[in-house]
Amino acid sequence: QQQVKQSPQSLIVQKGGISIINCAYENTAFDYFPWYQQFPGKGPALLIAIRPDVSEKKEGRFTISFNKSAKQFSLHIMDSQPGDSATYFCAACAGGTSYGKLTFGQGTILTVHP
Amino acid sequence: DGGITQSPKYLFRKEGQNVTLSCEQNLNHDAMYWYRQDPGQGLRLIYYSQIVNDFQKGDIAEGYSVSREKKESFPLTVTSAQKNPTAFYLCASSKKGLAGDYEQYFGPGTRLTVT
Repeated sequence: QQQVKQSPQSLIVQKGGISIINCAYENTAFDYFPWYQQFPGKGPALLIAIRPDVSEKKEGRFTISFNKSAKQFSLHIMDSQPGDSATYFCAACAGGTSYGKLTFGQGTILTVHP
Repeated sequence: DGGITQSPKYLFRKEGQNVTLSCEQNLNHDAMYWYRQDPGQGLRLIYYSQIVNDFQKGDIAEGYSVSREKKESFPLTVTSAQKNPTAFYLCASSKKGLAGDYEQYFGPGTRLTVT
């Protein structure tokens, strides 16, 4: 029930295209859903996050779509650029005694071809 | 320059030796975390600490130990009991408030190789 399932494992997109990465969860206690971007040999960097009281959040070219009833959320990268090539992780967190315990998806390796 | 520092960046040890990974933060964050990352896998939580002198086991704590004597520091010891210690280790921290600020910020990581 603690799992977060992420797909696809890898994604190849042409420059200017839209990259879409999906995540699904089971634990209804999750109330915070961040996305992280990681470049090789570096630590993950927080990209954008959403709470379940909204269905969409946009920051620049990055948008999170959230479907509470389906227990799914996705990251959309508009106008994808070669510099976006990285590994992306979704995660989820519950409050209460589970405070701060992020559960991560398996990651998606995004390659944007010029 | 605020942030999280981890040292060293690369660490090599012989099997059977304990090794301690350093993590320091100057963000005044209450909570700190240790994750392990293996190739092609997500991050798995080893230990976390929400306050000084207190810490809890994460999902894969066996073979690891931590201490939290200062707010700024959360060292991780990889003991000889850890069966497969070669991995990329990541430290993170976050604020903790009544509103439940969950944003975690990660350090640059330490790549540990045990032979």
